Amino acid sequence: DAGITQSPRYKITETGRQVTLMCHQTWSHSYMFWYRQDLGHGLRLIYYSAAADITDKGEVPDGYVVSRSKTENFPLTLESATRSQTSVYFCASSLLGTYNEQFFGPGTRLTVL
Amino acid sequence: AQSVTQLDSHVSVSEGTPVLLRCNYSSSYSPSLFWYVQHPNKGLQLLLKYTSAATLVKGINGFEAEFKKSETSFHLTKPSAHMSDAAEYFCVVSDQGGANNLFFGTGTRLTVIP
Repeated sequence: DAGITQSPRYKITETGRQVTLMCHQTWSHSYMFWYRQDLGHGLRLIYYSAAADITDKGEVPDGYVVSRSKTENFPLTLESATRSQTSVYFCASSLLGTYNEQFFGPGTRLTVL
Repeated sequence: AQSVTQLDSHVSVSEGTPVLLRCNYSSSYSPSLFWYVQHPNKGLQLLLKYTSAATLVKGINGFEAEFKKSETSFHLTKPSAHMSDAAEYFCVVSDQGGANNLFFGTGTRLTVIP
């Protein structure tokens, strides 16, 4: 009964490298989300997905790529990491969408040097 | 346009005293409103939500919030703070549904003094 998991929990990388953050949920929720959390900004939506093979941009999508080939997985890729992408990243899932409760993973703390 | 404002970035209370975390929102429609709590190094957890039913919403761990449309507020309260309540609290508004219509406040850090 793992729920929603993220890996890695901590990652240090260098500018220009590609990084993939993994998110896995065991509830078969339709919706999945990626947020970044920065001081003074709360959580900001990067990308979301309403179902497998359906993804859409959020508030801050530039520099990120997502895919969702399977309902349970929603990886987030930074194609060429920049220092401004240093942040804490949260994955979340929801059964029916944003009117319903979102369940959050524990987060990935990413540092780009 | 819609937004959510948490009026205090930091609130400090003594253990056993009441908690009040303030949230104001702006929305052109009838929104859904949520309060989430985030303990250190953890993800967010839902405390309670308002979805146009009763205006006084009860949540987990003794928290409740009242939706006041005339004041566009959704303040979070608890009669008696416990040490375990120390955390970051986020007010969230969802307007018209859709992930791009979900907005998070910037958070209020609650400190509980023994």
